[in-house]
Amino acid sequence: EGQLVESGGGLVKPGGSLRLSCAASGFTFSLYTMNWVRQAPGKGLEWVASISGSGFVHYAESLRGRLTISRDNAQTSLFLQMNSLRPEDTAVYYCARDTYWADLWGQGTLVTVSS
Amino acid sequence: SSVLTQPQSLSVAPGNTARIPCEENNLGNKSVHWYQQRPGQAPLLVIFYENDRPSGIPARFSGSHSGSTATLTITRVEAGDEADYYCQVWDNSPDHHWVFGGGTRLTVL
Repeated sequence: EGQLVESGGGLVKPGGSLRLSCAASGFTFSLYTMNWVRQAPGKGLEWVASISGSGFVHYAESLRGRLTISRDNAQTSLFLQMNSLRPEDTAVYYCARDTYWADLWGQGTLVTVSS
Repeated sequence: SSVLTQPQSLSVAPGNTARIPCEENNLGNKSVHWYQQRPGQAPLLVIFYENDRPSGIPARFSGSHSGSTATLTITRVEAGDEADYYCQVWDNSPDHHWVFGGGTRLTVL
């Protein structure tokens, strides 16, 4: 069925950078588009970015320019490089498998942007 | 781009039926999917393609869609159904992305 495990979250100062990782297992990773979805404390789900199996990427308009989504199909891993972080980027970041819906989610990794 | 509207909260007594709406002007030609999120947990897919259930999701959960409104229905509500519920569509305008509703907090009285 599959498993996703995120890592890389933590406390970072405004203006700083962070790289999130998502390790996938139990399915043919290269066949799936993968997504990042975030959830600010007490708020709803917000789509962040997606990357197809062959590397086509899409970003939320409000975040474009500060994020880079990438993947390593050989290592079955998904990444999110976040730069110029702001306090409003504080959230739990989830990776999710894409079948037009999110049929598999990781447990999330918390990113806190604060001085 | 789509904007999906859900009520912020809904309260239902145990054993009764919960109906959670999700509205959007152009929903008629989109497939709607639903997620359950219990406190402190990741979202869980409960309905996809309007009214299909992943394995392990009880038949008490069902979906429907009429015009600009999709509805998640939970019959014989149990205490364990207390959670946030989100609707979601796939949109391709201007390009591929997911859109989530704002979420509905279901309280079991």
